[in-house]
Amino acid sequence: QQQVKQSPQSLIVQKGGISIINCAYENTAFDYFPWYQQFPGKGPALLIAIRPDVSEKKEGRFTISFNKSAKQFSLHIMDSQPGDSATYFCAVRSGGYNKLIFGAGTRLAVHP
Amino acid sequence: ETGVTQSPTHLIKTRGQQVTLRCSSQSGHNTVSWYQQALGQGPQFIFQYYREEENGRGNFPPRFSGLQFPNYSSELNVNALELDDSALYLCASSPGTGDNQPQHFGDGTRLSIL
Repeated sequence: QQQVKQSPQSLIVQKGGISIINCAYENTAFDYFPWYQQFPGKGPALLIAIRPDVSEKKEGRFTISFNKSAKQFSLHIMDSQPGDSATYFCAVRSGGYNKLIFGAGTRLAVHP
Repeated sequence: ETGVTQSPTHLIKTRGQQVTLRCSSQSGHNTVSWYQQALGQGPQFIFQYYREEENGRGNFPPRFSGLQFPNYSSELNVNALELDDSALYLCASSPGTGDNQPQHFGDGTRLSIL
């Protein structure tokens, strides 16, 4: 059973464009929604995170939009750059002991 | 500030063998979680250690076990290795287990089973 569904699997964006990655979840008990960025040969790096009492959070070129009623959240990368080319994972936090459940990932390629 | 470090970076084993992977948590972090990332997939939670005790476990068999030491470093042990155990094993540390405690990942150990 897939608790976090992430789409698309892959995404190609031109330099300067907007990259949008979506995630949907089932369990309303999830209480923390981070996005991680992973480059080849590296571990995931925390990019930005949101809690369910906020509908949007922006940090630089990265924005999370959160729709609690629809049980969906998305990552927007504004002015996408070739250096943003990486795999992006959404995650949800489950339980009191800070366990993360990850989506399957989106491979983003930003073309110059 | 030193981040999460894992060793070794790569390891090759054969079926049936045992392996130990190591993780040093980020300074000031007392909680360590282990994840398995198969090729092309998202990380899957194995278990978490807090103050030297297992504090939660994912859907992994008992042949996956761990330890946390007084300095908060941790080991992941896998017995009776199977081909499906081939994956990137990631360690993540956090300042605690509770609310709003972001997890910071190391670069992982790539384990290949022949």
